[in-house]
Amino acid sequence: EAQVTQNPRYLITVTGKKLTVTCSQNMNHEYMSWYRQDPGLGLRQIYYSMNVEVTDKGDVPEGYKVSRKEKRNFPLILESPSPNQTSLYFCASSLEGDTNQPQHFGDGTRLSIL
Amino acid sequence: QKEVEQNSGPLSVPEGAIASLNCTYSDQGSQSFFWYRQYSGKSPELIMFIYSNGDKEDGRFTAQLNKASQYVSLLIRDSQPSDSATYLCAVTSYYGNNRLAFGKGNQVVVIP
Repeated sequence: EAQVTQNPRYLITVTGKKLTVTCSQNMNHEYMSWYRQDPGLGLRQIYYSMNVEVTDKGDVPEGYKVSRKEKRNFPLILESPSPNQTSLYFCASSLEGDTNQPQHFGDGTRLSIL
Repeated sequence: QKEVEQNSGPLSVPEGAIASLNCTYSDQGSQSFFWYRQYSGKSPELIMFIYSNGDKEDGRFTAQLNKASQYVSLLIRDSQPSDSATYLCAVTSYYGNNRLAFGKGNQVVVIP
């Protein structure tokens, strides 16, 4: 089954404790992206990757890191999480290395930073 | 000016009626336009995409694009209670990078 898989789905942690949210897609998609969704603010892009070893900042990259060493994986790293990073996070992918193709979303990761 | 704007406030429609959602965008260079449906606590699900001016129909859904006026709309015919969700408009944006800009969404409530 074609899908984008995120882990964990839920995480409660404390300020400053490094964490990684994994994202994996099995559709051989070139484009992958991370979003956060907050009430009243909608979906905002954090980072995106147009292909392996190619990443770039989105609208709200501060406090986040990403890497794209393999085509299928695009982990999101919070080196020193803070409470303002409490949010619902989505990973998405699309076939080609641009945004003109529809994006497919993972099920989301709800992060709570205390 | 916000990149992608959607009408504020929930839209209540009786079952069987037509729900109409509008979205305006600011980047004249935008080429691709998407409508996503999102149930509460779930991930966005693609409903429609449209690239050319005019109408595109898929089942009970019709997307309409007018690039000259920079708006895209979504019509839901014969609305069903299962259509109750938030609908997100997304537009490709080339401001600074190659990315997808989302509106804040419109909540639709279908009343049986």
